[in-house]
Amino acid sequence: TQLLEQSPQFLSIQEGENLTVYCNSSSVFSSLQWYRQEPGEGPVLLVTVVTGGEVKKLKRLTFQFGDARKDSSLHITAAQPGDTGLYLCAGPNFGNEKLTFGTGTRLTIIP
Amino acid sequence: DAGITQSPRHKVTETGTPVTLRCHQTENHRYMYWYRQDPGHGLRLIHYSYGVKDTDKGEVSDGYSVSRSKTEDFLLTLESATSSQTSVYFCAISRLGMGEQYFGPGTRLTVT
Repeated sequence: TQLLEQSPQFLSIQEGENLTVYCNSSSVFSSLQWYRQEPGEGPVLLVTVVTGGEVKKLKRLTFQFGDARKDSSLHITAAQPGDTGLYLCAGPNFGNEKLTFGTGTRLTIIP
Repeated sequence: DAGITQSPRHKVTETGTPVTLRCHQTENHRYMYWYRQDPGHGLRLIHYSYGVKDTDKGEVSDGYSVSRSKTEDFLLTLESATSSQTSVYFCAISRLGMGEQYFGPGTRLTVT
């Protein structure tokens, strides 16, 4: 089973600060996805990174896929209260039709 | 937003009673999934379906069964609910099996 570990587990910062959260594995993934989940709702897909070394930007969010395709990071610039939520990374399991989800980072942005 | 709904959204039931949760999609996606989400455990796959009448177990399938008689509906049944099945249940759909998933709003189930 391929595992995805996310760090930190919890992060609370002031509005306007920058932050980075990580998604790491000992296994190679063909791609990685990032989701954000707000309280009382289902996870929502933010981005998929496919190529090793790939960087994708979504407004103030920057996603990077490691060169070896074993890890990914999410960097948020000038965090805002609307960024509050649970951030999940996920990757497809080789040979089957399922995703492995990471353990999640619960982010709180304090106004 | 993907057209995916779950019903009911909230349910309280007693131990030992059967419970069925419904997931309905309007996207005609082939793959459908049931997850449960609990503090400290993240999202755990219960069962999934790769087509009508084609289903397979996930990592926490004990005590749950599923059925998919048509593309748009995926039912999750707790044959005899237990307190350990108190959780938030999410349905997800995907066009490709290992591709991006789109989640429903969730069902909060409490077993007393």
